[in-house]
Amino acid sequence: GQQVMQIPQYQHVQEGEDFTTYCNSSTTLSNIQWYKQRPGGHPVFLIQLVKSGEVKKQKRLTFQFGEAKKNSSLHITATQTTDVGTYFCTFYSGNTGKLIFGQGTTLQVKP
Amino acid sequence: DGGITQSPKYLFRKEGQNVTLSCEQNLNHDAMYWYRQDPGQGLRLIYYSQIVNDFQKGDIAEGYSVSREKKESFPLTVTSAQKNPTAFYLCASSIVAGTDTQYFGPGTRLTVL
Repeated sequence: GQQVMQIPQYQHVQEGEDFTTYCNSSTTLSNIQWYKQRPGGHPVFLIQLVKSGEVKKQKRLTFQFGEAKKNSSLHITATQTTDVGTYFCTFYSGNTGKLIFGQGTTLQVKP
Repeated sequence: DGGITQSPKYLFRKEGQNVTLSCEQNLNHDAMYWYRQDPGQGLRLIYYSQIVNDFQKGDIAEGYSVSREKKESFPLTVTSAQKNPTAFYLCASSIVAGTDTQYFGPGTRLTVL
């Protein structure tokens, strides 16, 4: 079935460095959603992208949806320790109502 | 105070026992979901319900059962048939299934001894 691959699986950065995680699909996606899960916590919705080439910003976070709607990225500028967690890209599969999760990218930030 | 509640936060059971995890929401959402998360893994869908009195199997339904008798409640039973039940279980809801943001509860960490 449809799935998404996320890379990298883990990333360690120094506080203040930038960070990017990528989400790739072999098939065209109707939408992409990004969630963040803090250690020991539950996933929290960040954003949804639906249009080809869409770019959305939330403070230091920039989300992109590829022109072919097969990939997406999340970029964090000047990371802070509060950015620590696992970032998941997800999408709704066809008409099933099922939200499919990527495996996530876990970010560690060294102060 | 609106949201999704799951109880208990931590649960310990002996092997061979069935256990039921609670999930309640007061968001008036039609759709509810159960996911399982293993260390270092993404979320895998166990069961979901698009409307009251209806539910569908997700990707890993074997060894689990659910009911949706009320809109606000979607309990999950982990049966003794589930081979590796120790995991973090997350319940979520959305206004409708298929397009909306999912809101997650705090999760229940189940350990089977």
